[in-house]
Amino acid sequence: AQSVTQLDSQVPVFEEAPVELRCNYSSSVSVYLFWYVQYPNQGLQLLLKYLSGSTLVKGINGFEAEFNKSQTSFHLRKPSVHISDTAEYFCAVRLNRDDKIIFGKGTRLHILP
Amino acid sequence: EAGVVQSPRYKIIEKKQPVAFWCNPISGHNTLYWYLQNLGQGPELLIRYENEEAVDDSQLPKDRFSAERLKGVDSTLKIQPAELGDSAVYLCASSASGGPTDTQYFGPGTRLTVL
Repeated sequence: AQSVTQLDSQVPVFEEAPVELRCNYSSSVSVYLFWYVQYPNQGLQLLLKYLSGSTLVKGINGFEAEFNKSQTSFHLRKPSVHISDTAEYFCAVRLNRDDKIIFGKGTRLHILP
Repeated sequence: EAGVVQSPRYKIIEKKQPVAFWCNPISGHNTLYWYLQNLGQGPELLIRYENEEAVDDSQLPKDRFSAERLKGVDSTLKIQPAELGDSAVYLCASSASGGPTDTQYFGPGTRLTVL
């Protein structure tokens, strides 16, 4: 069965600094990978997804992620964060139509002034 | 276009009481999901509907939880009776067709507190 590990439960970073949120997955077959963001008291919103093709995926709000098959990773990056990026970020994996999407436990991004 | 609507946003009840959550998906979306999100955790699927049919309810605790999606649009999730451990956020999501590459759109959730 597939699983997702988000290595950091919280990441503090200064405003305008770069950030990387780490995600590793476990699966013996090809997967689809997602990053979702959850702002306080809101539902989840899709940031980006990897389906196939280019391993560098660009998403909304200046975020991007890189799929690394050999390291089974899908880390999320942003070159310069803003206060408005304060949120919880979830990495997720899905196999095929009949398999449910599996979410990681989330990483809380704290932006320091 | 309106997003996924859920009500109520917050609910406080005493243990052993019944509770129900309502979800209205995005217009035209055939697939509807109910998720449970415990504090500090990612969402976990409870049930998935394609139109009116529950195609995956393997994670739904059927002794106390039930769900329905009449006419393939709105959905209701019920807990009877509620237990202290049911305190969590219940999220509803919808997607156009349920395919693995489809984007799931989430509602704001209902935060349940069981006293």
